[in-house]
Amino acid sequence: KQEVTQIPAALSVPEGENLVLNCSFTDSAIYNLQWFRQDPGKGLTSLLLIQSSQREQTSGRLNASLDKSSGRSTLYIAASQPGDSATYLCAVRRETSGSRLTFGEGTQLTVNP
Amino acid sequence: SAVISQKPSRDICQRGTSLTIQCQVDSQVTMMFWYRQQPGQSLTLIATANQGSEATYESGFVIDKFPISRPNLTFSTLTVSNMSPEDSSIYLCSVSGTGIYNEQFFGPGTRLTVL
Repeated sequence: KQEVTQIPAALSVPEGENLVLNCSFTDSAIYNLQWFRQDPGKGLTSLLLIQSSQREQTSGRLNASLDKSSGRSTLYIAASQPGDSATYLCAVRRETSGSRLTFGEGTQLTVNP
Repeated sequence: SAVISQKPSRDICQRGTSLTIQCQVDSQVTMMFWYRQQPGQSLTLIATANQGSEATYESGFVIDKFPISRPNLTFSTLTVSNMSPEDSSIYLCSVSGTGIYNEQFFGPGTRLTVL
């Protein structure tokens, strides 16, 4: 059974700091991994999707890496801003396309002005 | 990408009643997914809804408690039946994008409080 763990559970940083969020998964037979952002009481916004054959994806100040063999992914946020404050979730999809996602518990990020 | 809307956005309900949540997608999709997020927790898949067939429920979820309809390729409903305070959660509708990447998209969620 796939298990996804995110560390740390919560993180508080001053504005402008670069930071790394970690995601690990127990079964490396994944199809892809996706990072989401969730604001309090809201739905999920897709940030980055990494296919199993890819090593990283970038979007603006965000960079996600994937090491499938070791079961790890990181989300790097450069020059953090108060508007980045949210919960960040990673989710993995098994190798069979269309199968369900397994989510981590999330990292609650607070960026202080 | 897919744009997903949900109704209602939030509701407060009495114990023992039922609530039907609607999900509308701006494009035709084969599979729609319903997730539950209990307070302070991550997302758990309730069921997968395919058009023209019965929904497939995950372990711990049953059709009598969470009946699902999927009348066409852009719409689905989830009913939370005979509610108790333990059903207080955010309920999220989700779809997979078309193409080989299967990016997952989520609706804004329905925040349900049961008194």
